[in-house]
Amino acid sequence: DAKTTQPNSMESNEEEPVHLPCNHSTISGTDYIHWYRQLPSQGPEYVIHGLTSNVNNRMASLAIAEDRKSSTLILHRATLRDAAVYYCILSRTSGTYKYIFGTGTRLKVLA
Amino acid sequence: NAGVTQTPKFQVLKTGQSMTLQCAQDMNHNSMYWYRQDPGMGLRLIYYSASEGTTDKGEVPNGYNVSRLNKREFSLRLESAAPSQTSVYFCASTLDWAAYNEQFFGPGTRLTVL
Repeated sequence: DAKTTQPNSMESNEEEPVHLPCNHSTISGTDYIHWYRQLPSQGPEYVIHGLTSNVNNRMASLAIAEDRKSSTLILHRATLRDAAVYYCILSRTSGTYKYIFGTGTRLKVLA
Repeated sequence: NAGVTQTPKFQVLKTGQSMTLQCAQDMNHNSMYWYRQDPGMGLRLIYYSASEGTTDKGEVPNGYNVSRLNKREFSLRLESAAPSQTSVYFCASTLDWAAYNEQFFGPGTRLTVL
């Protein structure tokens, strides 16, 4: 199964950029990299996803290493509302479907 | 659009009781999923339905059954609840089976089994 490794927790000051790392050394060529976040007492919500190239959307940017064995979610200006658990997930395009959530990174944003 | 809705929001059961968790989506999605989340843990896939009429086991299917009632609805049944099934249950859906699709999650059902 495709597995990811993330730090358990990180802190950031409000209005500063945040870089959330993820290692996925067992990634295969067709695995997509997804990021979700979960606010307290809510279901996860989609943040961003990518395959090989860096991606940007209104919420964040995703930087993918050239060998694809790691990626970084970038929040450009953290706000208090960004305090959540962030999950990095690999999603396979073939075979038995596995969309495995790790334990994620709990992001604390300091005012 | 309501997105993904789940009922009930909270439930307390005694060991051995049965119950069905309901999930519905109004986005015309083909694929639906059931996850459980234990305290301090990530989500684990229980069952999924790639398309209407099909269901398959996920990572932790023991003790559960599912029914894809129609394209909109996907229910999860606990036939004989056990304390180990105390968890928060999330339903999710995607447009189709492709791995790049965004998953949309419901608000969850908090289940306690005494």
